[in-house]
Amino acid sequence: NAGVTQTPKFRILKIGQSMTLQCTQDMNHNYMYWYRQDPGMGLKLIYYSVGAGITDKGEVPNGYNVSRSTTEDFPLRLELAAPSQTSVYFCASSRPGGADREKLFFGSGTQLSVL
Amino acid sequence: AQSVAQPEDQVNVAEGNPLTVKCTYSVSGNPYLFWYVQYPNRGLQFLLKYITGDNLVKGSYGFEAEFNKSQTSFHLKKPSALVSDSALYFCAVRDMGRDDKIIFGKGTRLHILP
Repeated sequence: NAGVTQTPKFRILKIGQSMTLQCTQDMNHNYMYWYRQDPGMGLKLIYYSVGAGITDKGEVPNGYNVSRSTTEDFPLRLELAAPSQTSVYFCASSRPGGADREKLFFGSGTQLSVL
Repeated sequence: AQSVAQPEDQVNVAEGNPLTVKCTYSVSGNPYLFWYVQYPNRGLQFLLKYITGDNLVKGSYGFEAEFNKSQTSFHLKKPSALVSDSALYFCAVRDMGRDDKIIFGKGTRLHILP
């Protein structure tokens, strides 16, 4: 059982480049989230989705885009990378019912540096 | 908008002593409250949650938390700390009266001293 899988684990980008952080889950979870973690700042919500075809902005959406064409996948797109986007990115998923109701399952993270 | 405050950047506790990591929240409706832990160079792990029912919630690794509606708090506690409890702890909240966002606090680093 893979859970939440994020790729790549590490990436270095040059300013102005674009990339997509991949996130996929095999638990048939409705809800998916993208967070970024900066030292001393905790986790900030970038975007989230409550189901295929539905996405919404979180606390810090500027500079990012998402799509949710399937239940399993929730990719995060950086169009014009900036040094301020250097961070560790976590994808998470959850479901609204059952014993694990509302519990977030996290991927292992993507460490991104923009130079 | 919902918010979470963890007022302490760091908490130091001697091994064997009780520990408390503080969390307060602000929501417009009823809260769902969570604690997560991050060990060094590892991802985030779920500890416990409050959704409804008993105000005292028991979770993984001997941790518990008490939901206090009047003080809008959800402090994490453990009766006897272990050195292996040293980690970064995050409190999180979902505002059921508003939307499906889950917002995290900035984290509290817990050091258990041998």
